[in-house]
Amino acid sequence: DVKVTQSSRYLVKRTGEKVFLECVQDMDHENMFWYRQDPGLGLRLIYFSYDVKMKEKGDIPEGYSVSREKKERFSLILESASTNQTSMYLCASSTIRGHLAKNIQYFGAGTRLSVL
Amino acid sequence: KQEVTQIPAALSVPEGENLVLNCSFTDSAIYNLQWFRQDPGKGLTSLLLIQSSQREQTSGRLNASLDKSSGRSTLYIAASQPGDSATYLCAVGKGNTPLVFGKGTRLSVIA
Repeated sequence: DVKVTQSSRYLVKRTGEKVFLECVQDMDHENMFWYRQDPGLGLRLIYFSYDVKMKEKGDIPEGYSVSREKKERFSLILESASTNQTSMYLCASSTIRGHLAKNIQYFGAGTRLSVL
Repeated sequence: KQEVTQIPAALSVPEGENLVLNCSFTDSAIYNLQWFRQDPGKGLTSLLLIQSSQREQTSGRLNASLDKSSGRSTLYIAASQPGDSATYLCAVGKGNTPLVFGKGTRLSVIA
């Protein structure tokens, strides 16, 4: 089974701290994604990556950066955490190898981040 | 820009009832449509994926249909159980671009 692991289920940080959220997948997927999920707003795409050292902005990249130095790991960085970044963060991975139409996304369990 | 809408936002049904969740999308040029389940405080689990060339997919008590020309999909759940209580999200995909998600339908099945 595909496994997408997020390093923390719950995090509490203070305003202004630099925060790292880590995501690792074990299926050699080339695509990885970071979303945040807020009540009433649904899932919003922050950043995604199609390969090592590649990154693309999603719908709400402001205040975030990402790093993908290895294929299996995609890190989300909050350079200076703010209270409006309190949210559930979800990582996902996918592949199109074999069949373009079968681009199934697999999600991690999520990290609930509280910024105080 | 693709937009995905799910109606209703919330639904409560008695155990044993058959039910239908709806998903609509504005751009019919999609490659596939996925239905996901999300339990409270957890990540998303893929339930069914329908390719654009398919009309429906079935898994156990779940049946998902796709009418690409009208921009609609339905998720049919037969003989609902309390364990089916969760939020159900649909998402459409086009090639190797990120999925576009609806906001979900929160389902409660009452014993």
